[in-house]
Amino acid sequence: GIQVEQSPPDLILQEGANSTLRCNFSDSVNNLQWFHQNPWGQLINLFYIPSGTKQNGRLSATTVATERYSLLYISSSQTTDSGVYFCAVPAWGGSQGNLIFGKGTKLSVKP
Amino acid sequence: GAVVSQHPSWVICKSGTSVKIECRSLDFQATTMFWYRQFPKQSLMLMATSNEGSKATYEQGVEKDKFLINHASLTLSTLTVTSAHPEDSSFYICSASARGPTGELFFGEGSRLTVL
Repeated sequence: GIQVEQSPPDLILQEGANSTLRCNFSDSVNNLQWFHQNPWGQLINLFYIPSGTKQNGRLSATTVATERYSLLYISSSQTTDSGVYFCAVPAWGGSQGNLIFGKGTKLSVKP
Repeated sequence: GAVVSQHPSWVICKSGTSVKIECRSLDFQATTMFWYRQFPKQSLMLMATSNEGSKATYEQGVEKDKFLINHASLTLSTLTVTSAHPEDSSFYICSASARGPTGELFFGEGSRLTVL
């Protein structure tokens, strides 16, 4: 089955710093989602991005489907950005329901 | 984005009892909902696909008699953990798409189950 790898596994930043999180996937996908899991466990949708670049405030994401990777950029990080960031792709076919998640990047932003 | 809500957020139960978790789509109808499980410090794994008006589809290795799923309406799916044991303790999260099974997935707040 498709494999999803995220790097780095852990990241510690000082407030205000910028960072780039990476997601590699082993097979062609027709979609990709980025999530932020907050300390209470809730998954917050960040981006639904099969290809190209999207921006939302201090966050942006780029997916290069032909090269099988996606990047999540966080600029001017804040303590509230702390948590685990997951990328996920559909396991097979077009069904989005069976998402394969990477192991996540745990981000800690220090004041 | 679409809103998916779960209840309860936390539940503690004794071994051998059953626990029901509800998942609701608040602002859209969902013919299909998905139940995931997450162990501490691990990623999410799909347990089953809940289909409105028909039987759920379970992933390999998931006991369908242990995890009963009912999708009685277009806005509600329930997961019942039957005869719970400590190894069933986990974080359970449901999800749904407002645009059918190929659309963007939105997740509920999750339900943390602790079995004593």
